[in-house]
Amino acid sequence: SAVISQKPSRDICQRGTSLTIQCQVDSQVTMMFWYRQQPGQSLTLIATANQGSEATYESGFVIDKFPISRPNLTFSTLTVSNMSPEDSSIYLCSVTRGVTSSSYEQYFGPGTRLTVT
Amino acid sequence: AQSVSQHNHHVILSEAASLELGCNYSYGGTVNLFWYVQYPGQHLQLLLKYFSGDPLVKGIKGFEAEFIKSKFSFNLRKPSVQWSDTAEYFCAVTTTSGTYKYIFGTGTRLKVLA
Repeated sequence: SAVISQKPSRDICQRGTSLTIQCQVDSQVTMMFWYRQQPGQSLTLIATANQGSEATYESGFVIDKFPISRPNLTFSTLTVSNMSPEDSSIYLCSVTRGVTSSSYEQYFGPGTRLTVT
Repeated sequence: AQSVSQHNHHVILSEAASLELGCNYSYGGTVNLFWYVQYPGQHLQLLLKYFSGDPLVKGIKGFEAEFIKSKFSFNLRKPSVQWSDTAEYFCAVTTTSGTYKYIFGTGTRLKVLA
């Protein structure tokens, strides 16, 4: 398994500002992901955080809005830029290990609850 | 595009009742299947998973799920629920092509009455 922490756990921000969310894992992992869970909806993958290179974004998500860094194998950040109330959501970090089939199991962090006013 | 459907959005049961939550996916290739649970105030946890082999998989806390390939389904079951099973349950699918990308269902919120 993997123990994942996220900071902050929650925040209330004003529109037009930016928030950076941190994800820290207790050991090295191969893949790190960022998800969004909007109120009453399921989890949607924002991007895959690649170590040492640019993140891979899903359709509908762009780097200018959600810049991601992953400087090493245990840490990643997601920035929500120029926020609007529509960005109010829970943002989740997840990780997976290795290259065998067991690596398809993902472990999730506790999430960051963001409210934009 | 791949998708996952969970037909029951809200389920209310009394303790000791049997549970079955539906999950259907749309993808023609080989898949890995998961059920995750999110207890109130806690983060997502893996309940059980199917990669290959016996299509009936057993998970934690007495849960099991059956993969029926012909029906593209992976329904979650528990013969007798407890109050502590109150949570939100998510079905997820990933292909075996190595992308690790999960497609989640919309979730089922289960409330068990004591």
